[in-house]
Amino acid sequence: DTGVSQDPRHKITKRGQNVTFRCDPISEHNRLYWYRQTLGQGPEFLTYFQNEAQLEKSRLLSDRFSAERPKGSFSTLEIQRTEQGDSAMYLCASKGHQETQYFGPGTRLLVL
Amino acid sequence: QKEVEQDPGPLSVPEGAIVSLNCTYSNSAFQYFMWYRQYSRKGPELLMYTYSSGNKEDGRFTAQVDKSSKYISLFIRDSQPSDSATYLCAMSRSNDYKLSFGAGTTVTVRA
Repeated sequence: DTGVSQDPRHKITKRGQNVTFRCDPISEHNRLYWYRQTLGQGPEFLTYFQNEAQLEKSRLLSDRFSAERPKGSFSTLEIQRTEQGDSAMYLCASKGHQETQYFGPGTRLLVL
Repeated sequence: QKEVEQDPGPLSVPEGAIVSLNCTYSNSAFQYFMWYRQYSRKGPELLMYTYSSGNKEDGRFTAQVDKSSKYISLFIRDSQPSDSATYLCAMSRSNDYKLSFGAGTTVTVRA
């Protein structure tokens, strides 16, 4: 059990560019969640998967955001045409049979 | 009004003091209650987990849940400088388990 990993840890991009983040959950965890955290706030739910199926998307997730989890393993979160308001920490968490979620280190995005 | 309310502090205490943190919530469907610790620029780390009402103790940490009052607490005994961090309360329902977080309380333990 190596924990949840996320890549990259930091990303600086210019407004209008596309970015993609990757999350590798704890092996055999069937649920994977994405959250976004801005400075001074708690994480906010974005979307989640059970295996490869995306079961819910928050209204925070505009059309510029898309997430996938092919084959129910790792997941990617893509942001198209980034805006300065997208600057935040993007967190991934996974959940197995227990009720608790375990978080990765996060990807810190800065949009210039 | 937010679904989960948490006083952001900051809270500063001397080493050895008891740290008391709390959250209130409005959604009576929440059944699972968690406290996470987050160091600066790191991901949240699970500290305590409680199902429904009751108390749970783990070393220097005690979590309490009062569903009738929609109020949860975390106590840290014999606080250490290494306990300096942001503490996030979180809760979820039993269907989707998606977490609703408080804003986090920043705690500093002075040596």
